[in-house]
This record gives sequence, structure tokens and C-alpha cells, in this order.
Amino acid sequence: EDKVVQSPLSLVVHEGDTVTLNCSYEVTNFRSLLWYKQEKKAPTFLFMLTSSGIEKKSGRLSSILDKKELFSILNITATQTGDSAVYLCAVEVKQRNYQLIWGAGTKLIIKP
Amino acid sequence: ETGVTQTPRHLVMGMTNKKSLKCEQHLGHNAMYWYKQSAKKPLELMFVYNFKEQTENNSVPSRFSPECPNSSHLFLHLHTLQPEDSALYLCASSQAGTVAYEQYFGPGTRLTVT
Repeated sequence: EDKVVQSPLSLVVHEGDTVTLNCSYEVTNFRSLLWYKQEKKAPTFLFMLTSSGIEKKSGRLSSILDKKELFSILNITATQTGDSAVYLCAVEVKQRNYQLIWGAGTKLIIKP
Repeated sequence: ETGVTQTPRHLVMGMTNKKSLKCEQHLGHNAMYWYKQSAKKPLELMFVYNFKEQTENNSVPSRFSPECPNSSHLFLHLHTLQPEDSALYLCASSQAGTVAYEQYFGPGTRLTVT
């Protein structure tokens, strides 16, 4: 059975800290791995990763994929209170017609 | 209005009630999705519609009944629900056949079954 596991489930840090969120997966016919940020309600897209070792970066956020070890990490540097959210990882598999298999998410709380 | 909208935003219903959730997208997409999000659990895909045709039904109990009258509107009809059905119900839309990350989510309906 395809599955996506995120860790930790929750994390509390202080503003300015750097955090690393983890996402591991076991799927057949991997196509891509995606990171979403969910504040309050609607998830919003952050990154899509398809190739190992190539870092995607957007401001203070960055992510990288390891297809050999089947995991991805999401890094956030110099955290701000606005980074508080649930971060979701999802994997797209080829035979499921663009559907996503989701992890349970990591709830990140940034304290001022 | 732009994006994906959902109504109501909050709903409390008894186990014998019948209610409906509504989703509307203003993005010109032709695929729409219903997801269930329970606390500390992964998002669960419930139904997928491509060009108004249901293409996925991920073993969802019959007390949940979807309806897609056109590419812009999606409903989820609820009847005789159980307390464990309490969750956040998210609607999403995308262009059919495009990559999965191009799903745009609505704000969700927080459902509580008493």
C-alpha cells in the first residue's frame, strides 16, 4: 500500500530558529513529491520535486528530494510567526492519474 | 468572486439530518475533487470528477453522495452521518490532465456530527 509519512507531527520553535521537516514515502511508480502549506483552511502549493539532489528554493524556504532513500526535507531558515502552519507533503504516482497521496502533516508553531 | 469557494464554512448536524455542502470554482477548471481531512490524519481523497463525470470513488460510504451538475459546481450530499464523519471537507479544482500540484483548494467546510 502506498504511504507517505511526515515527521515530526508537531514542532514548536522560537522566531529566528531554523527548522527541518521530513517526509518519507513508499510508493510504486513515483512521479513527483509536493509540499503544501496549510494556514487555517486551504492548502497552498509550495514546491514540486521530481529529481534527486536538486534543491528548490523560495525565499527562506528550500526543499530537496532523495529518490534513493525515498525522502524529502523542507527547510525554513530565520523563521517568522507567519510561518506557523501545517506543512503537508504529498506524492504523485504515475498510475493514479495525477492524484496525490498525502502525509498527515507537520504542525509548526513559531513563538515570538 | 475568484478561486474556489465553499459553503457553508461551518456545519453542525445530527445523525438523522440531511444536508449538502457546496463548492464553486471560478478558475475555468474542468476537474473537481472532494477531500476529507481529519485531525492528525492525511488528506483523504473521496471523489474526483473530470468533465462532470465521476472518475474516482475511493471506497466512500454511501451516506456521502456527490453531485456535479457542471464543471463549475460540486456538491456533497450528506445523510445519516456518524460522529466519526466530523472533519474538515475540502474541495479542490484543477485542469483535467494537468500535473497534480495545480490543484486549487477552497477554504473547507468544518463539519461536526452530533
